[in-house]
Amino acid sequence: EPEVTQTPSHQVTQMGQEVILRCVPISNHLYFYWYRQILGQKVEFLVSFYNNEISEKSEIFDDQFSVERPDGSNFTLKIRSTKLEDSAMYFCASRGGGNTEAFFGQGTRLTVV
Amino acid sequence: SQQGEEDPQALSIQEGENATMNCSYKTSINNLQWYRQNSGRGLVHLILIRSNEREKHSGRLRVTLDTSKKSSSLLITASRAADTASYFCATDESDYKLSFGAGTTVTVRA
Repeated sequence: EPEVTQTPSHQVTQMGQEVILRCVPISNHLYFYWYRQILGQKVEFLVSFYNNEISEKSEIFDDQFSVERPDGSNFTLKIRSTKLEDSAMYFCASRGGGNTEAFFGQGTRLTVV
Repeated sequence: SQQGEEDPQALSIQEGENATMNCSYKTSINNLQWYRQNSGRGLVHLILIRSNEREKHSGRLRVTLDTSKKSSSLLITASRAADTASYFCATDESDYKLSFGAGTTVTVRA
């Protein structure tokens, strides 16, 4: 069964460093998303991406964040200068069309020290 | 912003019993989706119910949607220890954003 794949599963980084979280959405899906979940808290929307551009973003998704779909299969989230409060589980999701199921990856646990 | 809110926050039941959790939301939606999350793991899609549907079944899961009350319920019948997890509803207002509630933590006692 097709699935969304995220790498790495766990990343530890020093405060101020740049990190890139990688995702391979389900093939032929058109809509892509990043969410985050701080330990014990809600799943928060960060950004959605459709037709090679950002379609919606939250207030969390500030200038420190960027997304890219560089080669038609990968979908990346970059955090330019990490802060301690960026420590969270980051989830990638994709869906094939509007009004359909969104499938999530297993997440990348980011720890900023 | 639009969010689903689950009720109760936590639920503890005996194996074999049914578990019911509710989700309320604020504005119009295209669909509502339910997810399961085992501790520290990914979000597993359970079921999607569209705004023109009232009830849907999938195995031991039954989901209802009442758009007039802006609420949905998830029923897990004949619960098992493996059903122990957090359950989230997510409202789909547009193609570009699913909004999650805080979740219901279900513990199934053997």
